[in-house]
Amino acid sequence: QKEVEQNSGPLSVPEGAIASLNCTYSDRGSQSFFWYRQYSGKSPELIMSIYSNGDKEDGRFTAQLNKASQYVSLLIRDSQPSDSATYLCAVNLGGIQGAQKLVFGQGTRLTINP
Amino acid sequence: DTEVTQTPKHLVMGMTNKKSLKCEQHMGHRAMYWYKQKAKKPPELMFVYSYEKLSINESVPSRFSPECPNSSLLNLHLHALQPEDSALYLCASSLSVWGVQPQHFGDGTRLSIL
Repeated sequence: QKEVEQNSGPLSVPEGAIASLNCTYSDRGSQSFFWYRQYSGKSPELIMSIYSNGDKEDGRFTAQLNKASQYVSLLIRDSQPSDSATYLCAVNLGGIQGAQKLVFGQGTRLTINP
Repeated sequence: DTEVTQTPKHLVMGMTNKKSLKCEQHMGHRAMYWYKQKAKKPPELMFVYSYEKLSINESVPSRFSPECPNSSLLNLHLHALQPEDSALYLCASSLSVWGVQPQHFGDGTRLSIL
């Protein structure tokens, strides 16, 4: 079982709709979770971080965390063509002596259709 | 624009060359990271530095040699690379390696080995 799993897509969503991205992880001890957006040819950009069970909202983005189910998701409301990118789920698995070791899922390629 | 600056943006080198990648941040972060990213794959952790000391080495071949001369600078020295080492090399930083601090990425260096 991979440490962090995402559906690689592609996920196609019409403009103005809600895009839903999902991620599962294997380490029950994980404490911090991140969503990065990566445009083609660019570096990953942090868009959301979440540490507690429940929802966290920032503008059009909502991150959801369920530690019991080892599940984290990202909702994008009112999707825009500029949201078309690969979305990477990242989980801090904690490495040697607790040092942060960030492990990424394979990424979900999202396309917003005008 | 990101607050983590990487130079050069592009590098083409032969298998016998020696070159260095540079990374700089002035956010007061005490943890710095090198990642390697191949096309259509997620970033893979190579090295972690905490307070200028090497904290994690993910079994990276010795032809990659990291160096952290001070809290703001991180270098990656390259020697005798192979064509399969062609990739996007990403530098990231965070407040510390402990706890739940998010990592912020530079724009990367796109490396091509002839």
